[in-house]
Amino acid sequence: GDSVTQTEGQVALSEEDFLTIHCNYSASGYPALFWYVQYPGEGPQFLFRASRDKEKGSSRGFEATYDKGTTSFHLRKASVQESDSAVYYCALGGGFASALTFGSGTKVIPCLP
Amino acid sequence: DMKVTQMPRYLIKRMGENVLLECGQDMSHETMYWYRQDPGLGLQLIYISYDVDSNSEGDIPKGYRVSRKKREHFSLILDSAKTNQTSVYFCASSLSIGTASAETLYFGSGTRLTVL
Repeated sequence: GDSVTQTEGQVALSEEDFLTIHCNYSASGYPALFWYVQYPGEGPQFLFRASRDKEKGSSRGFEATYDKGTTSFHLRKASVQESDSAVYYCALGGGFASALTFGSGTKVIPCLP
Repeated sequence: DMKVTQMPRYLIKRMGENVLLECGQDMSHETMYWYRQDPGLGLQLIYISYDVDSNSEGDIPKGYRVSRKKREHFSLILDSAKTNQTSVYFCASSLSIGTASAETLYFGSGTRLTVL
């Protein structure tokens, strides 16, 4: 079946550092790919999506590019801030009559430089 | 204001007790979901509902059942709760499944259930 792999369970970095969270997927066909963000005490919320090869999604300074060749959709941000402290979920669209498949999530912990 | 509301926020039950988690949405969304969230496992789909009385099992339905008698309400029921059902439960809603819009899910704030 379809699956999403996020290799980092947690990322600690200094404020203003460059952030990368890795996301790889396994699916047949051409699924849509998503990033969701979950702030403490809240439910996950939609960040952005991409639905075709080489398409870039972006929101709030975060971006990711759909790469069918490497089956990846890595999340990047140039300068992380304290307010970015959250859990980030990569997800795969299930297509007709199917729900999203989520990765295991990556917790981002910004620290004072 | 688009909102998914979950009640209660926190719940403590004893093993063997029945549990009812309630979810409401004010967006007239057709599709609703129940997920559970556990450390290291992310979000796992328990049930999906396509509309009133049209429900389907997700990836981990064992030990759970659902009820949807009104489009805006979706309940998760645990008959005889078990300690391994201790988790955070999230309800979500979206527009009609099978459309691109369906993949933008709106989540509630979750219910933290502890089964002793």
